[in-house]
Amino acid sequence: QVQLQESGPGLVKPSETLSLTCTVSGGSLSSYYWSWIRQPPGKGLEWIGYIYYSGSTNYNPSLKSRVTISVDTPKNQFSLNLTSVTAADTAVYYCARTEATIYFDYWGQGTLVTVSS
Amino acid sequence: SYELTQPPSVSVSPGQTASITCSGNKLGDKYAYWYQQKPGQSPVSVIYQDTKRPSGIPERFSGSNSGNTATLTISGTQAMDEADYYCQAWDSSTVVFGGGTKLTVL
Repeated sequence: QVQLQESGPGLVKPSETLSLTCTVSGGSLSSYYWSWIRQPPGKGLEWIGYIYYSGSTNYNPSLKSRVTISVDTPKNQFSLNLTSVTAADTAVYYCARTEATIYFDYWGQGTLVTVSS
Repeated sequence: SYELTQPPSVSVSPGQTASITCSGNKLGDKYAYWYQQKPGQSPVSVIYQDTKRPSGIPERFSGSNSGNTATLTISGTQAMDEADYYCQAWDSSTVVFGGGTKLTVL
């Protein structure tokens, strides 16, 4: 059974960089896409982007200028960097395994990141 | 940019059939996906590729997709089905989610 676990700071200051890591257990990163998705408190889901295990990426156009997703295959991890954050970036951040037809079959438990000084 | 529209809320009595719609331009030409999210929990896939149920999802969950509308149908709705439901599609290399529908079982 594949499991995903997000980790990283729960509080980030405005204008700084939000950095999260997703550790995958129970399976390899190989042959899958791996995504980040977020959900502001009380609101809906927003896709941030994905990375293929080989390293190719695709980002939400609305966030593309601020987002970098990277992969560390030996550690079975992938990571999210979101620069120049504001209060609007406060959300629960999920990592998810992404099937080839681009849907999300396994999700992490999510981690709340608050942007505040 | 592509948009998916869902009704904000749907109510159903226990044992009855609930239908949640998701509308988008020529959505029937794409795959539609559905996720269930209960309070404080991560989303769970309940329908993928329009009509398929992941392992462990009860048979009462079914999906269809034609024209501009995808529909999630829950037959014999149970109290445990009360949750937020999100549709999702893939368009122009971008993942799009609907705004979500709160299903109330009363």
